[in-house]
Amino acid sequence: GAVVSQHPSRVICKSGTSVKIECRSLDFQATTMFWYRQFPKQSLMLMATSNEGSKATYEQGVEKDKFLINHASLTLSTLTVTSAHPEDSSFYICSASYERGGTDTQYFGPGTRLTVL
Amino acid sequence: GDSVTQMEGPVTLSEEAFLTINCTYTATGYPSLFWYVQYPGEGLQLLLKATKADDKGSNKGFEATYRKETTSFHLEKGSVQVSDSAVYFCALIGYSSASKIIFGSGTRLSIRP
Repeated sequence: GAVVSQHPSRVICKSGTSVKIECRSLDFQATTMFWYRQFPKQSLMLMATSNEGSKATYEQGVEKDKFLINHASLTLSTLTVTSAHPEDSSFYICSASYERGGTDTQYFGPGTRLTVL
Repeated sequence: GDSVTQMEGPVTLSEEAFLTINCTYTATGYPSLFWYVQYPGEGLQLLLKATKADDKGSNKGFEATYRKETTSFHLEKGSVQVSDSAVYFCALIGYSSASKIIFGSGTRLSIRP
């Protein structure tokens, strides 16, 4: 149980386009979802936390107008990278918790590798 | 702020070898400490955790002891298997990190048959 999927697993796009990444909890209701970014050989950095039906809370330094997060249902959250540029190329990982704010009960997706040309 | 430092990989061992992956942390107070594992193509999974000093977390033959005096949480396994090949992340949740998980950079482990 407690499976989280991400789609797509890899995406390549041209600079200036927007890319949407989906995160789904397959067998539980995700009250809270988290989005992380991972640079090569570096740790996962939390980008934002979203509770179902509420606006996402972004970490300091993360542009909310660039990284749009929607958590409209208890099983789906989306991250849209708007007007992507090469510096946005990274590995994006989502996680989900059945608990509100559930920091230590997160189930992680397999990640999405974004390459912006 | 809170931080986690773990040994750089990749680490390559032969099957049945003894494994140690070092992890040290910086945090105020008494954070909770975690090891996560990421198998190829899968998401991170919680491997074990410890929430107070001298606690030992264990799972699947892996162990780690919360050492407050050395601010360490080293991961050990007495006899590794090929199926243990994965990336291992040390992490903490502390008071000053506002309930966020702070991850180390990950250590890739490869086990030779």
